[in-house]
Amino acid sequence: SQTIHQWPATLVQPVGSPLSLECTVEGTSNPNLYWYRQAAGRGLQLLFYSVGIGQISSEVPQNLSASRPQDRQFILSSKKLLLSDSGFYLCAWKRNGADSGANVLTFGAGSRLTVL
Amino acid sequence: AQKITQTQPGMFVQEKEAVTLDCTYDTSDPSYGLFWYKQPSSGEMIFLIYQGSYDQQNATEGRYSLNFQKARKSANLVISASQLGDSAMYFCAMRGSGTYKYIFGTGTRLKVLA
Repeated sequence: SQTIHQWPATLVQPVGSPLSLECTVEGTSNPNLYWYRQAAGRGLQLLFYSVGIGQISSEVPQNLSASRPQDRQFILSSKKLLLSDSGFYLCAWKRNGADSGANVLTFGAGSRLTVL
Repeated sequence: AQKITQTQPGMFVQEKEAVTLDCTYDTSDPSYGLFWYKQPSSGEMIFLIYQGSYDQQNATEGRYSLNFQKARKSANLVISASQLGDSAMYFCAMRGSGTYKYIFGTGTRLKVLA
C-alpha cells in the first residue's frame, strides 16, 4: 500500500530564517506531487506541483521554492521566511494513470509553521 | 479559469439527521472531476467522494452521496444520519482534464449537535 510522510509536523521559526519541509511517498512510482498552504481558517492554496523528477510548476510567486531530487521526494524551501509564510503546509500525491482511482489526491498529515 | 465556490461558512445539524453542503464550480474543461474532503481539527485531509463529469450516476460512499447537477454546475455533498464525528471542515475540489492542478473551495465548517 502507498503511504505519504511529511515532516516536521510542527516548527517555529524566526523571520529571516531558512525553511525546509520534506515529503516522501512510499509504495508507488512516478507520482504527481503537490504542496498546498492553508492559512488559519482558510482554504487550500496550491503552491507547487511536480509531474516528474526536476519538473516543478509554481503557482504563486513568493519567497518559497520546491525541489524534487528523487522520484518520490518533494521538498519545500525558503531562504528567508516572512511572517506571512505562517500556515499549515500540506503535501499531497496522486497516482499516475487514466482510471478513476488515479484522480484521487492523497494528503500527508501536514506541517504547521509559525514564523515569529 | 477554474473556480470552486462554497457559500456556507458554517452549518449546524442535529445528530442522526441529513445535511447538504453546497458546492458550485466553474470550468471550461469538457471533462473534469469533483471531490469532497473532510478536515477534522487534527488538520489531516481525508478524501470522501469523487464524481467524474461524465459519470451517469451520482457517486455514493457509505453515508456520503454527491448530488451532481451538471447543468447547474453544482456538486453538493449529502451526509445522511449525521454523527458527532462528522463535525469538521469540508472542502469541495475540482480538477479539469487538461490540468494537473486541483483547486479547492474555502470550505464549510459543519457542527453536529447531540
